[in-house]
Amino acid sequence: EPEVTQTPSHQVTQMGQEVILRCVPISNHLYFYWYRQILGQKVEFLVSFYNNEISEKSEIFDDQFSVERPDGSNFTLKIRSTKLEDSAMYFCASSAQGARSNQPQHFGDGTRLSIL
Amino acid sequence: AQSVTQPDIHITVSEGASLELRCNYSYGATPYLFWYVQSPGQGLQLLLKYFSGDTLVQGIKGFEAEFKRSQSSFNLRKPSVHWSDAAEYFCAVGGDTDKLIFGTGTRLQVFP
Repeated sequence: EPEVTQTPSHQVTQMGQEVILRCVPISNHLYFYWYRQILGQKVEFLVSFYNNEISEKSEIFDDQFSVERPDGSNFTLKIRSTKLEDSAMYFCASSAQGARSNQPQHFGDGTRLSIL
Repeated sequence: AQSVTQPDIHITVSEGASLELRCNYSYGATPYLFWYVQSPGQGLQLLLKYFSGDTLVQGIKGFEAEFKRSQSSFNLRKPSVHWSDAAEYFCAVGGDTDKLIFGTGTRLQVFP
């Protein structure tokens, strides 16, 4: 069964450094998402992306965050200047269609980001 | 406000026993409802989904869930739990936007 693939599985970064988390969505999917899960808390939506632009973002997704689809297969999340509170598990997801469709979001295994 | 409540943080059952995990939601539009499972060190795997139609939906691994609009609930059930079902279970709601709203999860422990 097709999968969403995320790399790396674990990223350790010094506070203030930039970090890029990478995702390869399922190949025929057109909608892409990032979520995060701070340890012990619920999974939170960050951003959705369709047709090379952000379609929705949460209040968490401030100017320090950006997303990009640099080529036909990768979908990246960049954090420009990391803070301690950015430490979390980051999940990428993709779906064949967007909201109000019967196509669910499929998630990757996540990247654990640790900020020192 | 849109939200999902999973009132049970941790549930322990014996292998072979039946299971019900509770989920209540608050959502302004017609909800689409999901259950995801997360095994240790793994991502979120979709167990089942409800969009419309029959309110009892079947999923993978022998799970089912029933949508009860009057109770704003979408409880997950399994008639006989296996040791491999030990994991964290998340209920989520979505529909009118791209965003899925997750509950805090229920950790299931299975004793032999």
